[in-house]
Amino acid sequence: AQTVTQSQPEMSVQEAETVTLSCTYDTSESDYYLFWYKQPPSRQMILVIRQEAYKQQNATENRFSVNFQKAAKSFSLKISDSQLGDAAMYFCAYRSDLYNTDKLIFGTGTRLQVFP
Amino acid sequence: SAVISQKPSRDICQRGTSLTIQCQVDSQVTMMFWYRQQPGQSLTLIATANQGSEATYESGFVIDKFPISRPNLTFSTLTVSNMSPEDSSIYLCSVTWGKGYEQYFGPGTRLTVT
Repeated sequence: AQTVTQSQPEMSVQEAETVTLSCTYDTSESDYYLFWYKQPPSRQMILVIRQEAYKQQNATENRFSVNFQKAAKSFSLKISDSQLGDAAMYFCAYRSDLYNTDKLIFGTGTRLQVFP
Repeated sequence: SAVISQKPSRDICQRGTSLTIQCQVDSQVTMMFWYRQQPGQSLTLIATANQGSEATYESGFVIDKFPISRPNLTFSTLTVSNMSPEDSSIYLCSVTWGKGYEQYFGPGTRLTVT
């Protein structure tokens, strides 16, 4: 079974600085998708970024980028120029591409605090 | 992306009662999902609801406790039956959208059982 691990329960960053959130996963599959979701205190889950495992190029969405290391099964999220609005819980998630399911497997989350 | 709404946004219920949570999507979608997020925890999938078929439940979740309806391609309900304080959680519905590998979430229903 696939598992997703986020080893940093909490992280903090100064406004305008850069922070990296870690995520590792375990799978025997070669085709899958990885996601980072943000959950602010308002609790609405927001998709931040996605990565297809077959793509070598790291995904980027404005200030958010990932470092995808398929062999190491690592999928970290880098937030550049951090803003106060980035404060939230961040969840890493895995989706298999081999079965007829869109089921997401989530990590335990990292709470990010942003200080002015 | 799809716009998803849930009702109620929160509720406080007594032990032994049931609550039905509604999830409405502004577009037709094939798959809808129901997740539970216990206080301070991650999300756990309860079941997958496809229109026209029985919901598929994950290990640890049973239909008698969490009956699900999916009458059409834009709507689903999750009932939390015979509630206990351990059922106090946020319940979220989600849908796949676009090419099918992105999931979008509703705002959640915060349930407190006293």
